[in-house]
Amino acid sequence: DARVTQTPRHKVTEMGQEVTMRCQPILGHNTVFWYRQTMMQGLELLAYFRNRAPLDDSGMPKDRFSAEMPDATLATLKIQPSEPRDSAVYFCASGPGTSNYQETQYFGPGTRLLVL
Amino acid sequence: KQEVTQIPAALSVPEGENLVLNCSFTDSAIYNLQWFRQDPGKGLTSLLLIQSSQREQTSGRLNASLDKSSGRSTLYIAASQPGDSATYLCAVHRGSTLGRLYFGRGTQLTVWP
Repeated sequence: DARVTQTPRHKVTEMGQEVTMRCQPILGHNTVFWYRQTMMQGLELLAYFRNRAPLDDSGMPKDRFSAEMPDATLATLKIQPSEPRDSAVYFCASGPGTSNYQETQYFGPGTRLLVL
Repeated sequence: KQEVTQIPAALSVPEGENLVLNCSFTDSAIYNLQWFRQDPGKGLTSLLLIQSSQREQTSGRLNASLDKSSGRSTLYIAASQPGDSATYLCAVHRGSTLGRLYFGRGTQLTVWP
């Protein structure tokens, strides 16, 4: 069955290193969301795209985070340089992108990031 | 800014009990409200979606209600089972920009045999 995939599932890195997380949305979905989940803040929206164009990235620290969709089957979230406070679970979700607001979002399994 | 609050933060009940999870939101101008389930180490799975014009939605043993004017939603789980153990999150769609959801912190439910 169709599902959102994310790689890697786990990542341990040292402070200052670049981290790249990838997401493959469900085929045919044209909205993609990046979320970050921590114990302190809960689930926060970082950025989202519609038809590969960024619609809102106001939740993302601009100095170190960047999100792109090189094509309709791949979304990337990069952190450079990474910091310990970036340790969290990063979720990607996709949706059909219809205009009637009835749609739900389908979440990937997440990338668990630990920055030492 | 939309604030979403869920009470209680954690709940532990014996199998078979009927239970209610609560969600409140500060801005009643919403398009829909959704309830999600999150299992440990997993992503979120949508359970129910209530449009702003609806009062409730049902799926199996789950029933979600929405009172927009008071900014509240409840998720009712009938005859709870150990397999219902998970974290339940509610999220509201404010509609100003397509797709944006505001999430609560969740209620961690444990159902013991």
